[in-house]
Amino acid sequence: GAVVSQHPSWVICKSGTSVKIECRSLDFQATTMFWYRQFPKQSLMLMATSNEGSKATYEQGVEKDKFLINHASLTLSTLTVTSAHPEDSSFYICSARAGVAEQYFGPGTRLTVT
Amino acid sequence: AQRVTQPEKLLSVFKGAPVELKCNYSYSGSPELFWYVQYSRQRLQLLLRHISRESIKGFTADLNKGETSFHLKKPFAQEEDSAMYYCALASGGYNKLIFGAGTRLAVHP
Repeated sequence: GAVVSQHPSWVICKSGTSVKIECRSLDFQATTMFWYRQFPKQSLMLMATSNEGSKATYEQGVEKDKFLINHASLTLSTLTVTSAHPEDSSFYICSARAGVAEQYFGPGTRLTVT
Repeated sequence: AQRVTQPEKLLSVFKGAPVELKCNYSYSGSPELFWYVQYSRQRLQLLLRHISRESIKGFTADLNKGETSFHLKKPFAQEEDSAMYYCALASGGYNKLIFGAGTRLAVHP
């Protein structure tokens, strides 16, 4: 099946700094990528949907200036958490889809803000 | 409002017992529903979708529009079925997924 990777798998950063998470589709071109957030023992909450070359569409309650999403190519989307705070600590998961095919999920990135 | 409800956080059964993981949804249009599975330390992966009406790893799920349900069933649970199961609803033009809270299935020997 199609493979989606995320980098880094785990990152620790200091409060007030920014951190970038990459999501790559390794063997297919992803017209749409999705970013989710998962708190411990909770479900995935969609943060935003991004299409290559377009601005991301954010879900209600998600701060677009805090969570910057860039989908510059058909194989790469990035999520930048700006001015991170401890409450941003979470598990961030991306998924990618080509056309109307199923979504393929990345392994996730654990962010810890100290 | 679009919503997916999985009422059970944990379902614990013995090997060989039947399994039913419940999922109810709220959606104004024609729903497209999925079951995803996450095994320990692995990524989320698609188990089955209602439109394909297939059986994967012995699991089946039938969409019941009258009861707005999409319960996942397996007649004889195996230990390797132990995992986290999420029911999801596709919504919107980009078919974004709305996930339920998930049910942890624990199959004991």
